[in-house]
Amino acid sequence: GQNIDQPTEMTATEGAIVQINCTYQTSGFNGLFWYQQHAGEAPTFLSYNVLDGLEEKGRFSSFLSRSKGYSYLLLKELQMKDSASYLCAATDNYGQNFVFGPGTRLSVLP
Amino acid sequence: DVKVTQSSRYLVKRTGEKVFLECVQDMDHENMFWYRQDPGLGLRLIYFSYDVKMKEKGDIPEGYSVSREKKERFSLILESASTNQTSMYLCASMGAAGASAYEQYFGPGTRLTVT
Repeated sequence: GQNIDQPTEMTATEGAIVQINCTYQTSGFNGLFWYQQHAGEAPTFLSYNVLDGLEEKGRFSSFLSRSKGYSYLLLKELQMKDSASYLCAATDNYGQNFVFGPGTRLSVLP
Repeated sequence: DVKVTQSSRYLVKRTGEKVFLECVQDMDHENMFWYRQDPGLGLRLIYFSYDVKMKEKGDIPEGYSVSREKKERFSLILESASTNQTSMYLCASMGAAGASAYEQYFGPGTRLTVT
């Protein structure tokens, strides 16, 4: 089985940088995903890491350490619209069985 | 743009009824998924399908079945709805190769209430 853990809530200030951590314990692992979900909406894909290291995509970056079972999502130059839940998910060896963490609700304050 | 549509945004059913939730994607994706989302529990995978007529159980398949007769359509069936199946149901699709591989695209969700 797989278990994924992430903080429940975080608060940050507009213009700041925030790091959302995710730890996972898996019996089989292919890759680590991050999704953004605004209240009342469907999740949207942010990033995918399969190899160790940092993947950068604009203001968002995601890091993976397979040996430590650890990932983080880094959001720079925070904007009010970044207030949302951020979901961490891992897949099994075949890359199809997705297990999601409980999500981290981020509030960006002015 | 990838489009994933679900048959209803809101649905109210009675205990014991048979419920069909339909999902259609227009990007010729091989993989399709059904999740439920509950407060504090996050997204949980019910079933997924990697090809027509193929299905695999996710973490919580009990009380549900699925059907994939055509590549673009993936149906979730509640044979006899119960109150603990009241939830938000989300469908997703994902390509197997190329630019859309590993990106799940979600539908808008169906909020099902079982009374």
